Amino acid sequence: NAGVTQTPKFQVLKTGQSMTLQCAQDMNHEYMSWYRQDPGMGLRLIHYSVGAGITDQGEVPNGYNVSRSTTEDFPLRLLSAAPSQTSVYFCASSYQTGSSSYNEQFFGPGTRLTVL
Amino acid sequence: KQEVTQIPAALSVPEGENLVLNCSFTDSAIYNLQWFRQDPGKGLTSLLLIQSSQREQTSGRLNASLDKSSGRSTLYIAASQPGDSATYLCAVRRFGDYKLSFGAGTTVTVRA
Repeated sequence: NAGVTQTPKFQVLKTGQSMTLQCAQDMNHEYMSWYRQDPGMGLRLIHYSVGAGITDQGEVPNGYNVSRSTTEDFPLRLLSAAPSQTSVYFCASSYQTGSSSYNEQFFGPGTRLTVL
Repeated sequence: KQEVTQIPAALSVPEGENLVLNCSFTDSAIYNLQWFRQDPGKGLTSLLLIQSSQREQTSGRLNASLDKSSGRSTLYIAASQPGDSATYLCAVRRFGDYKLSFGAGTTVTVRA
């Protein structure tokens, strides 16, 4: 099991450029999510998905798009990068047991993004 | 809105001392609470998960307690080692919610 993988590890963009951060998991988890981590602000939820074809917004969704065409993959797209999007991005996944049980979340290694 | 607070923000102890890390949350209607470790420049590693019906969880030198009614969890690390130096984050999940609400973390330094 590779767990949760993210690519790239590092990325530098210019303002206005677009890019896609990749996230994949091989644990057959239904739930996947994207967080950003900024100094002094902790981790904040950007978007999440409860299964293939289903996505929803988190706390800070503006400027980001997601899609979930397969169980394994959950890419995050930056439409037009801004310096305020300089951050560390983490993808996480979780399995469900029972009718409404959301259990332990597993995190990827992160993508460190700088927008100039 | 769930607010999660971790105090202190930083802690420095000599090797061998027991560590006590605190986490408090404002909304007691939680489903579970998870403790993570984060090394500099790395991702989050899950340490312990406590369900709302549990009072504590143990794994090796780690013990986490949960007092839901008072909105508190404590992570104990026995006989600390320099390798325990890291940032420790707690996160809570509400009933019926997928989102984790994170504290800002406690950065621990264990001096050899």
